[in-house]
Amino acid sequence: GNSVTQMEGPVTLSEEAFLTINCTYTATGYPSLFWYVQYPGEGLQLLLKATKADDKGSNKGFEATYRKETTSFHLEKGSVQVSDSAVYFCALRGGTSYGKLTFGQGTILTVHP
Amino acid sequence: EPEVTQTPSHQVTQMGQEVILRCVPISNHLYFYWYRQILGQKVEFLVSFYNNEISEKSEIFDDQFSVERPDGSNFTLKIRSTKLEDSAMYFCASSVTLDRDNSYEQYFGPGTRLTVT
Repeated sequence: GNSVTQMEGPVTLSEEAFLTINCTYTATGYPSLFWYVQYPGEGLQLLLKATKADDKGSNKGFEATYRKETTSFHLEKGSVQVSDSAVYFCALRGGTSYGKLTFGQGTILTVHP
Repeated sequence: EPEVTQTPSHQVTQMGQEVILRCVPISNHLYFYWYRQILGQKVEFLVSFYNNEISEKSEIFDDQFSVERPDGSNFTLKIRSTKLEDSAMYFCASSVTLDRDNSYEQYFGPGTRLTVT
């Protein structure tokens, strides 16, 4: 079946530091890949997505590239802000199943001023 | 901006009791979902619902669980006899429709925290 593995957290950074959160996946077929963000007290919000190999999703300064050869979708941001503090989830959909999202375990990011 | 809403935000119940978690999906959406997240664990898919029937369910979604769209706006998750291990955050989501590109976003509600004592 489908699975997503995220790097262990939590991650603590200073403002303006570079961020990488690793995500690898296992799926049959051609899944779509997503990063969701959850701010304190809120639901999951789609941050970015990529639907085919070599696509780059980007939003709010975050980027992730769909790498089929390494089955990865790592999240990066060049300069994090305190407001980026949240939980980040990597997820996939498709392959053997339409609709259902399969999530990674989530990575807690804390950014200090 | 349209959003998915869920009530209540926190539900406390005793083991063996029935609970109903409520969701109001975005109005023009056709697909509805429930997920749950046990504290410290992954967000897990429970069930998807389309055209008034379940389209997919996980092995977690056993006979103790049911879903319903009782009217044109609400989407509910019922747990018939709660167990301690049902304590979790339950998220509702909706999406417009699916196409073969799997590109339609699922919009999530803020969640209902269920505590079973």
